Amino acid sequence: TQLLEQSPQFLSIQEGENLTVYCNSSSVFSSLQWYRQEPGEGPVLLVTVVTGGEVKKLKRLTFQFGDARKDSSLHITAAQPGDTGLYLCAGGGGYQKVTFGIGTKLQVIP
Amino acid sequence: SAVISQKPSRDICQRGTSLTIQCQVDSQVTMMFWYRQQPGQSLTLIATANQGSEATYESGFVIDKFPISRPNLTFSTLTVSNMSPEDSSIYLCSVGNGGPEAFFGQGTRLTVV
Repeated sequence: TQLLEQSPQFLSIQEGENLTVYCNSSSVFSSLQWYRQEPGEGPVLLVTVVTGGEVKKLKRLTFQFGDARKDSSLHITAAQPGDTGLYLCAGGGGYQKVTFGIGTKLQVIP
Repeated sequence: SAVISQKPSRDICQRGTSLTIQCQVDSQVTMMFWYRQQPGQSLTLIATANQGSEATYESGFVIDKFPISRPNLTFSTLTVSNMSPEDSSIYLCSVGNGGPEAFFGQGTRLTVV
C-alpha cells in the first residue's frame, strides 16, 4: 500500500506570511496531485506534477515534485484569508486507487 | 472538467434507517468512486462503482452496508444502510477518465442521531 504523509497537519498564520506544506512517501509515484477543500465542499484540483524536479506555479502557489518522485511541496507566498482550507496531496489514480494524504489544515488570519 | 452533482447535500437521519445518495455527472465518465471523509480527516475510498457489475469494495467496507449502483456512465448511487452514529460523515462522489486527476462532487454531509 502506498502511503502519503503530510506535514504539518495544522498551520495557523497571519495574512502576508509565507508557508510550505510537505507531502512525503517511501514509494515512487508517477504523478502527484494537490487539492484544496473548503468547508462544505468537495476537494478541488489545484495541480498535477508529473516529472521529477518539476516546478509549477499557480499565482502565489508554487508546487514542486521531488527528483525521485517520492515527495512534493506546496509553497504559498503572502498568504491571504482566501487560502484558508484543507490542502490534500494525492497519488495514484487513473485506473488505480488514488491515495490521499491526511491533509494540512491551513488557517490564514486577517 | 465534468460537473458533478450530489444529492442530498446534507441530511439528518435516525439510527437504523438507510439513506441513498445520488451522483449525477454531466458527461460520460470511465471511473466513478465513493469516498468517506470523517470529521477533520482525509478521504477514505469506500468502493469503485463499476458500470453494469458489482462495485469493488476496499478493505473494511462491505456491500451489505454500502450497496452501490451504477446503471450507466453518468450516474451512481451509494446507500448507507442500517445507520449508526458512527456513520456520520461526509460522503463524496468522485469521477475520472483514466488520468491521475480526480474530480469531486460537493459531498453529502450525513448526521445520524
